[in-house]
Amino acid sequence: GENVEQHPSTLSVQEGDSAVIKCTYSDSASNYFPWYKQELGKRPQLIIDIRSNVGEKKDQRIAVTLNKTAKHFSLHITETQPEDSAVYFCAALLSGSARQLTFGSGTQLTVLP
Amino acid sequence: GAVVSQHPSWVICKSGTSVKIECRSLDFQATTMFWYRQFPKQSLMLMATSNEGSKATYEQGVEKDKFLINHASLTLSTLTVTSAHPEDSSFYICSAPLAGAVGTDTQYFGPGTRLTVL
Repeated sequence: GENVEQHPSTLSVQEGDSAVIKCTYSDSASNYFPWYKQELGKRPQLIIDIRSNVGEKKDQRIAVTLNKTAKHFSLHITETQPEDSAVYFCAALLSGSARQLTFGSGTQLTVLP
Repeated sequence: GAVVSQHPSWVICKSGTSVKIECRSLDFQATTMFWYRQFPKQSLMLMATSNEGSKATYEQGVEKDKFLINHASLTLSTLTVTSAHPEDSSFYICSAPLAGAVGTDTQYFGPGTRLTVL
């Protein structure tokens, strides 16, 4: 099966700075990589995703990059704001796996005002 | 966007009782739904895949007789925690994938159910 590792587990940045969270996956057959933001006690919210045929995707202050050769993908948040503080999860979908996502362990992002 | 609801949002029960949690896709049909469990400060752990019209498939280590899943229709899956014990206290979240034009697998999550077993 798939295994997803996520780093760092905690990340503190000053407001306005950038934040980068990295994930690696084990199975080269994975082809879909979403990122979720989860606030305390709430549901995970999809913030951006990328498919294996694309190397980079950007949506305003959020971007995701994918390196298929190295089997890693990263979330980049620029101009961070206090409301970006949350737990972020990466995930990978293994092709042909009945669409089961495998999640990383999560990163607690704290944006300091 | 796709909306998934869950009910109840929280429940407190006595040890030994059974609790049913409902997951509904409100504006799309879902032949498959997923049930996750999330302990405090931990990631989402997949418990089982709920399949409309057939038996659920459970992840290794998840007791199928304890966590009963029924996918009664294309918009409803239920998870019943039978004979609940304090160690079952957790945040239970369902999700449903939304297929797109290119076979996308975007999953939308329900708001979760906080189960506390006394």
